[in-house]
Amino acid sequence: GQQLNQSPQSMFIQEGEDVSMNCTSSSIFNTWLWYKQDPGEGPVLLIALYKAGELTSNGRLTAQFGITRKDSFLNISASIPSDVGIYFCAARTSGTYKYIFGTGTRLKVLA
Amino acid sequence: EAQVTQNPRYLITVTGKKLTVTCSQNMNHEYMSWYRQDPGLGLRQIYYSMNVEATDKGDVPEGYKVSRKEKRNFPLILESPSPNQTSLYFCASSLSYSSSYEQYFGPGTRLTVT
Repeated sequence: GQQLNQSPQSMFIQEGEDVSMNCTSSSIFNTWLWYKQDPGEGPVLLIALYKAGELTSNGRLTAQFGITRKDSFLNISASIPSDVGIYFCAARTSGTYKYIFGTGTRLKVLA
Repeated sequence: EAQVTQNPRYLITVTGKKLTVTCSQNMNHEYMSWYRQDPGLGLRQIYYSMNVEATDKGDVPEGYKVSRKEKRNFPLILESPSPNQTSLYFCASSLSYSSSYEQYFGPGTRLTVT
């Protein structure tokens, strides 16, 4: 079946550093999403992308929809302690309203 | 307060004993969905519903049933639970299937099947 390969699996960074993570697939998608999950809670949508090449920002977060429609990237600038959590990419299967999620990137920020 | 609620939040049960996890939203959302989350596997969609009486399979529907008789409720039914269904389950909803990307997730139900 379709899969999203998310990397890195985990990251330990210093407060103030920039962070990059990405998601790739062998399948083409027409919607890419990025969610964040805090401990003990459900995921919360950060950014939604609808068009190949699209670059969208939400505060210190920037995400891009890859030109090939098979990948997406999320960057976090100047990380702060509350950025800690698990970040998931997700994509919608074309022609359906079914969603698949990546395996997540666990981010830890050291003050 | 706009929210998605799930009950129970924690459940320990035995193999084969039928159970239902309820999900309710008070936002008049059309689209609702169930996911399971397992370590190292991320979230996997079980079933989704685009509106009342309209449901479809996600990636991992085996062993689960759903129904959508009312707009606000979308229960997940495990007719004969097995240990491999031990997981953290999330219900989610969004305004409509056309904006289904913007899903609001419930707090989760941790299920253990022994």
